[in-house]
Amino acid sequence: QVQLVQSGAEVKKPGASVKVSCKASGNTFTRHFMHWVRQAPGQGLEWMAIINPSGDRANYAQKFQGRVTMTRDTSTSTVHMELNSLRSEDTAVYYCASHYYDSTGYPIPFQHWGQGTLVTVSS
Amino acid sequence: DIQMTQSPSTLSASVGDRVTITCRASQSISRWLAWYQQKPGKAPKLLIYKASSLESGVPSRFSGSGSGTEFTLTISSLQPDDFATYYCQQYNSYSWTFGQGTNVEIK
Repeated sequence: QVQLVQSGAEVKKPGASVKVSCKASGNTFTRHFMHWVRQAPGQGLEWMAIINPSGDRANYAQKFQGRVTMTRDTSTSTVHMELNSLRSEDTAVYYCASHYYDSTGYPIPFQHWGQGTLVTVSS
Repeated sequence: DIQMTQSPSTLSASVGDRVTITCRASQSISRWLAWYQQKPGKAPKLLIYKASSLESGVPSRFSGSGSGTEFTLTISSLQPDDFATYYCQQYNSYSWTFGQGTNVEIK
């Protein structure tokens, strides 16, 4: 089993950057691909980014290309998501989540989620 | 990115009703589709993956079907604990997307 614990709430001004962390525990984490998903107040889920287990390949939703960076520190089992040029529309709860491949090679999507981190962007 | 369209956006139903939610993909995703349940203030919970595989611990009244571009989530007999928002998600590519959600509310 994998448990994901995220960093605390953040308040930022428009134009600033925010970096959210997600620390994993559990001996299978090294096989997990990590993702970031966000949810604006009263809105749906929005997939943002994915990073592979070794941390050398990340992919981002078109909407966030050039503004988001996802990194992975394998030594501390932690992933980070940095979002730049913040605007009020970025106010949301940000979740990390993981997927892995089962013994037959099929992907198992988000069984594991972090508790969520509220990022508020306000002047 | 692949677009996912859910219908309806809101569904009013009573305990014991059979409920069906539909999800359509903008291009074929084979069977790489998941369904999640979310309650207010909580992270989503995985219900179904690979279109029809029931996640461990999820009640058997939940079922999924479909392939290609058309998928459904069915709740055979709605229970009080099932009033929530449901999302489909495609994971066919290295860029994943969610549907916009279906809110199942008490009639």
